[in-house]
Amino acid sequence: AQSVTQLDSQVPVFEEAPVELRCNYSSSVSVYLFWYVQYPNQGLQLLLKYLSGSTLVKGINGFEAEFNKSQTSFHLRKPSVHISDTAEYFCAVTLPGAGSYQLTFGKGTKLSVIP
Amino acid sequence: EAQVTQNPRYLITVTGKKLTVTCSQNMNHEYMSWYRQDPGLGLRQIYYSMNVEVTDKGDVPEGYKVSRKEKRNFPLILESPSPNQTSLYFCASSSTNGETQYFGPGTRLLVL
Repeated sequence: AQSVTQLDSQVPVFEEAPVELRCNYSSSVSVYLFWYVQYPNQGLQLLLKYLSGSTLVKGINGFEAEFNKSQTSFHLRKPSVHISDTAEYFCAVTLPGAGSYQLTFGKGTKLSVIP
Repeated sequence: EAQVTQNPRYLITVTGKKLTVTCSQNMNHEYMSWYRQDPGLGLRQIYYSMNVEVTDKGDVPEGYKVSRKEKRNFPLILESPSPNQTSLYFCASSSTNGETQYFGPGTRLLVL
């Protein structure tokens, strides 16, 4: 079975500074990887996903993530954060062909942007 | 507008009083799931359904029931709620060959 580890539960960062949210996964086979964002008092929204192809994936709101198979990582980055990026971010994994109903989530990273 | 809706959004109840949280999607998706979200634990899957009349347990099914009589609806039933079921619940749906799950707005449940 696959698993996901988000290495930081909370990340404070100043506005306009860069940020990286770390995600490592464990799986003996190829996986699909996702980042979801949850703004305060809202549901989850897909930020970006890696299925295959280019290892650098661009998402909404200026976020990007890089898939690193050798390090089994899928870290999320943004070069300059805004106050509106304050939210909780979830990394998730599923197996190709398994259907996305079998998503496994990490425990989440709370990003706090400080003005 | 494509969406997943949940009702109610907020619910306070007492131990042992049966309740149902409804979930409906208008995207004709085959797959539907229920998750609970607890601080420090992320989202954990309760039950999922691959199609009408096909349901299966997720990671934390104890104390919950589901049914899938229609494609668009996937209610979550707590027959005898207990305080440890106090949580934030999300319904989600996706298509057969789709990798992306679409989430509802969440239902915040407090069991006293």
